[in-house]
Amino acid sequence: DGGITQSPKYLFRKEGQNVTLSCEQNLNHDAMYWYRQDPGQGLRLIYYSQIVNDFQKGDIAEGYSVSREKKESFPLTVTSAQKNPTAFYLCASSFGGAAFFGQGTRLTVV
Amino acid sequence: AQSVTQLDSQVPVFEEAPVELRCNYSSSVSVYLFWYVQYPNQGLQLLLKYLSGSTLVKGINGFEAEFNKSQTSFHLRKPSVHISDTAEYFCAVGGSNYKLTFGKGTLLTVNP
Repeated sequence: DGGITQSPKYLFRKEGQNVTLSCEQNLNHDAMYWYRQDPGQGLRLIYYSQIVNDFQKGDIAEGYSVSREKKESFPLTVTSAQKNPTAFYLCASSFGGAAFFGQGTRLTVV
Repeated sequence: AQSVTQLDSQVPVFEEAPVELRCNYSSSVSVYLFWYVQYPNQGLQLLLKYLSGSTLVKGINGFEAEFNKSQTSFHLRKPSVHISDTAEYFCAVGGSNYKLTFGKGTLLTVNP
């Protein structure tokens, strides 16, 4: 089936550790996105990428890093510099202006 | 810069009543506009989109929205809601730079 796959669905991290969230798409879309969702704050853009080997910071990029080595993959690393990483993370890809979303990864810092 | 304001954080309605979820946007360039729906602990599903052409856009599940350039609005409507429409709804604006900006969401609760 075509779509966007995020893994894992739930992730627990100890304070001070880096963690990488996976996002893979087989839709052949050029653009990909990472959003963070917190209750009452909607979706806030972390990073986005229009093409392979290129990406731009979104509104809340501090404490996060990404790579785009393949068209299908756009992993997000939450670093220890991110002060409050507990959130629901959503990956998306877009074609024709509209974005299509994965099912999300819920990250909890313990 | 672009931004989205969803004017109501919560909208309670009774089943079979009409509903309107309000969205205003700002952008310095031509815009694309979207409405998405999110059920608990899931990703977002596209309801409808406006890219160009007719200002009245029809989407899935009986929803429609009207683009009003002069009022910079893109309100979502449904003439008769069902219990299953209970969810959070997000308005979004995009442009040619690929950046997509979302509002804070409106929680629609349909009561029997």
